[in-house]
Amino acid sequence: KNEVEQSPQNLTAQEGEFITINCSYSVGISALHWLQQHPGGGIVSLFMLSSGKKKHGRLIATINIQEKHSSLHITASHPRDSAVYICAPNTDKLIFGTGTRLQVFP
Amino acid sequence: EAGVTQSPTHLIKTRGQQATLRCSPISGHTSVYWYQQALGLGLQFLLWYDEGEERNRGNFPPRFSGRQFPNYSSELNVNALELEDSALYLCASSRGDSDPLEQYFGPGTRLTVT
Repeated sequence: KNEVEQSPQNLTAQEGEFITINCSYSVGISALHWLQQHPGGGIVSLFMLSSGKKKHGRLIATINIQEKHSSLHITASHPRDSAVYICAPNTDKLIFGTGTRLQVFP
Repeated sequence: EAGVTQSPTHLIKTRGQQATLRCSPISGHTSVYWYQQALGLGLQFLLWYDEGEERNRGNFPPRFSGRQFPNYSSELNVNALELEDSALYLCASSRGDSDPLEQYFGPGTRLTVT
């Protein structure tokens, strides 16, 4: 069993839809990162959180440390949100989920 | 504030050669991390340097090595290149070895081994 499981693997949405990406992990962590990777490889760190909820614009990330689960939500999705979203729990190093490929169509 | 920079952007080598990849962290950051993203695979942790010392290492053979310089920039060296070393190599930096800290990623170096 992978230490980090993300779902769904692929996600398509119409512009304006509410998006949820889930991440479950089996290891003890101190924090969790959500990363966004655009075609070409560039990675942007969206959030780092160790408890509760964080919001940045249309993006919201939540984490439940007891349940070892985190979610990334995108409200009012837009085609420019199309990217791969990667969950990365922080143990003594970052471990990575396989990513969720999101495509938002106009 | 300048972000993490990596050079070269692309690197083409033949099997058996050595590759050297470079990373400059954000000013004030002392930790540098290296990751490999091979085609079809997820990101994998390679190496972590802080204050010139190797702090942690992923599950990679000794052919993968690196160092961190006094100015906190870092090099990743891959010796005896193999075809499966073809990948995007990402560098990230953070403020130090206190955990947890936000990592800032560079644009990556795409290594192609032919």
